[in-house]
Amino acid sequence: EIVLTQSPVTLSLSPGERATLSCRASQSVGSYLAWYQQKPGQAPSLLIYDASNRATGIPARFSGSGSGTDFTLTISSLEPEDFAVYYCQQRSNWPLTFGGGTKVEIK
Amino acid sequence: QVQLVESGGGVVQPGRSLRLSCAASGFSFSTYAMHWVRQAPGKGLEWVAVIAYDGTTKYYGDSVKGRLTISRDNSKNTLYMQMTSLRAEDTAVYYCAKDRIPMGGTLYFDYWGQGTLVTVSS
Repeated sequence: EIVLTQSPVTLSLSPGERATLSCRASQSVGSYLAWYQQKPGQAPSLLIYDASNRATGIPARFSGSGSGTDFTLTISSLEPEDFAVYYCQQRSNWPLTFGGGTKVEIK
Repeated sequence: QVQLVESGGGVVQPGRSLRLSCAASGFSFSTYAMHWVRQAPGKGLEWVAVIAYDGTTKYYGDSVKGRLTISRDNSKNTLYMQMTSLRAEDTAVYYCAKDRIPMGGTLYFDYWGQGTLVTVSS
């Protein structure tokens, strides 16, 4: 099973600041990585797929990069609605796996 | 618009069974692979199972193999999860999720239901 390790666990930032979230895989997943956002009491929503492609309707302030084992989700300027938990997910190998999540909280 | 509505959750004793359903609308259900993903209270996401658009292929997470069975009825636009030999560690919100593209699928989830809570407790 591919283990995805997300860091940091919690990121405390102010609106307008840049957020940089990391996801590291225990073995190469190529570019087969997605990012999801989950707000309290809601289901997750897809942000990025195949490492760097924004899903439909996702604002340009969200960007993804990386390949192999190291990936980054960047939020260029945090809006109030961006404070949430973010998960990465790989589809390179069975079983599909998620990272443990990074909570982006208001500083 | 795409809607996924789960049902069937509740409180069940360890070792008992439960069947979850997910009613889909707003898209061509029979052309998309569908998934179940769960989330234990206060924890992260765990992928549970996937079924191909035509029901011919299924894959499961290691922790549920042999106990949970995914199925679908394309004539009813409904996804199912039959859960047997339930354990306390199966306690979670169970989400159904739609694959991003039709037919072959991408194993990414672009629409999710609101989830149904399964609590396994004596």
